[in-house]
Amino acid sequence: GENVEQHPSTLSVQEGDSAVIKCTYSDSASNYFPWYKQELGKGPQLIIDIRSNVGEKKDQRIAVTLNKTAKHFSLHITETQPEDSAVYFCAAVLTGGGNKLTFGTGTQLKVEL
Amino acid sequence: ETGVTQTPRHLVMGMTNKKSLKCEQHLGHNAMYWYKQSAKKPLELMFVYNFKEQTENNSVPSRFSPECPNSSHLFLHLHTLQPEDSALYLCASSPGLAPAYNEQFFGPGTRLTVL
Repeated sequence: GENVEQHPSTLSVQEGDSAVIKCTYSDSASNYFPWYKQELGKGPQLIIDIRSNVGEKKDQRIAVTLNKTAKHFSLHITETQPEDSAVYFCAAVLTGGGNKLTFGTGTQLKVEL
Repeated sequence: ETGVTQTPRHLVMGMTNKKSLKCEQHLGHNAMYWYKQSAKKPLELMFVYNFKEQTENNSVPSRFSPECPNSSHLFLHLHTLQPEDSALYLCASSPGLAPAYNEQFFGPGTRLTVL
């Protein structure tokens, strides 16, 4: 089965700085890689995703990059703001795997004023 | 109501109690999921339903019993749970299970405490 590792587990940045969270996956058959943001008391919310036929995707201040050869993908948040503080989860889906998400262990991001 | 709703939001139960968690999605989706979220661990997929039929049981103990009466509603019946079952239980939905429908929409979760 798929295994996803996520680093770091906690990340503290100053407001305005960039934040990068990295994930690696084990199964080369994975083809879909979403990132979820979970705020306190809420369920995870999809913020950006990328498919295996694309190397990079950007949406305003957030971007995701995918290196299929190395089997890793990263979330980049630029110009961080206090409202970016949350837990971020990466995930992977195996091709033909029935849409089962395998999640990383999460990164607690804190944006300090 | 929009999106995915879950009730109750908090539940405290004894080990001998029977309780049920409810999930409802207002998105017109056909696939629904139960996940368990414990501290310091990845979200664990428990069950998957597609068009009311169970397509995945991820080796979940029988003290957890899912029910999906229609594509909009999903229940998780709980019976004789253990303290280690205390966690946040999340429901999610997606349009289907095909690769074109990978995005899953999550509810706010039920925080379960087993005494």
